Amino acid sequence: QKEVEQDPGPLSVPEGAIVSLNCTYSNSAFQYFMWYRQYSRKGPELLMYTYSSGNKEDGRFTAQVDKSSKYISLFIRDSQPSDSATYLCAMIPNTGNQFYFGTGTSLTVIP
Amino acid sequence: DARVTQTPRHKVTEMGQEVTMRCQPILGHNTVFWYRQTMMQGLELLAYFRNRAPLDDSGMPKDRFSAEMPDATLATLKIQPSEPRDSAVYFCASGNKGGSVAGGSYEQYFGPGTRLTVT
Repeated sequence: QKEVEQDPGPLSVPEGAIVSLNCTYSNSAFQYFMWYRQYSRKGPELLMYTYSSGNKEDGRFTAQVDKSSKYISLFIRDSQPSDSATYLCAMIPNTGNQFYFGTGTSLTVIP
Repeated sequence: DARVTQTPRHKVTEMGQEVTMRCQPILGHNTVFWYRQTMMQGLELLAYFRNRAPLDDSGMPKDRFSAEMPDATLATLKIQPSEPRDSAVYFCASGNKGGSVAGGSYEQYFGPGTRLTVT
């Protein structure tokens, strides 16, 4: 079993929809949680970063961490065609030495 | 606009040949990561350097892969001999990481990747 599980999708939504992307994990030592966005044929870029449990909001994006359920989410409000990309979750344990990535969820926002 | 650069962007080679991929991290960053991305496995960490010293290369097949940082501005990943199963996109990323969990930034900046095809 992989340490980080992520549904690969693909996910297709109409413009303006709320998108929910999720990851589950098995290692309770994970303390730092990140979401990366990767456009086709580009490298991933950091979107959001949270420490431990709770919510963090940045514009149309909200990251949520539930450590008791070992579950993290990324919500995109008022989705735009420019949000079409693959979204990867990533986590770091409290030893802080290595990133563990999900396989990514492919999202398409249809105009 | 500081960014990670990688060369070559594309490489097609025959099985058995040596492949060298190069990465120039962002000036001033002290950590460098090498990842491999495939559809099936996603993003896999191959090697991790801090201050040019290798900290973790457990994700790398040791018999054929090697990673080095000859200086602070260059990281290399070599495959010798290459095999068709090595076909993937190889990413380099750099960042700043302090010595403790709470120290430094966890942000990684990824390069554009090298798309490797081994026939």
